[in-house]
Amino acid sequence: KQEVTQIPAALSVPEGENLVLNCSFTDSAIYNLQWFRQDPGKGLTSLLLIQSSQREQTSGRLNASLDKSSGRSTLYIAASQPGDSATYLCAVYSSASKIIFGSGTRLSIRP
Amino acid sequence: SQTIHQWPATLVQPVGSPLSLECTVEGTSNPNLYWYRQAAGRGLQLLFYSVGIGQISSEVPQNLSASRPQDRQFILSSKKLLLSDSGFYLCAWSVQEANEQFFGPGTRLTVL
Repeated sequence: KQEVTQIPAALSVPEGENLVLNCSFTDSAIYNLQWFRQDPGKGLTSLLLIQSSQREQTSGRLNASLDKSSGRSTLYIAASQPGDSATYLCAVYSSASKIIFGSGTRLSIRP
Repeated sequence: SQTIHQWPATLVQPVGSPLSLECTVEGTSNPNLYWYRQAAGRGLQLLFYSVGIGQISSEVPQNLSASRPQDRQFILSSKKLLLSDSGFYLCAWSVQEANEQFFGPGTRLTVL
């Protein structure tokens, strides 16, 4: 059974710092992995999708990596800004139709 | 461009009352559609998904049901709500299975 873990549950850093969010999964046989952000009381915004054949994806200040053999993905945020404050969720597609979410990392960027 | 709508945005219902939440997608044809629930302090749980009109797959046994009467319309229903049905309900769509999913704004349901 696929399990997805995100540690830490919460993180607070000063503005301008580079930071890394972690996501680990127990079954390396995945289709894709997707990172989302969720603002309080809102839906999910897709940030990056990494296909199983890829090792990383980049969008602006965001870079996501995938290491299937070790069951890990990281989301790197460069030059953090207060607007980056949100909960970040990773989701693993463990089959064509089943997606398992981590419980998220609540990120707070201090001005 | 594609957009996804959900309504209502918030809903407060008494225990035992019926429920109908609606999700519609614009700008695409034959999308895969999904219903998720996010309970307070817990992660997202996939409830139902649909690959076409009238085709519904349930991920977990529960007090809820889903229907897809039209290509871009997905409805979540219940005949009698339970307290445990409270939560944040999210609809999502994707072009194909295991492809990038896009989420709607959600419906916050409180059952009293």
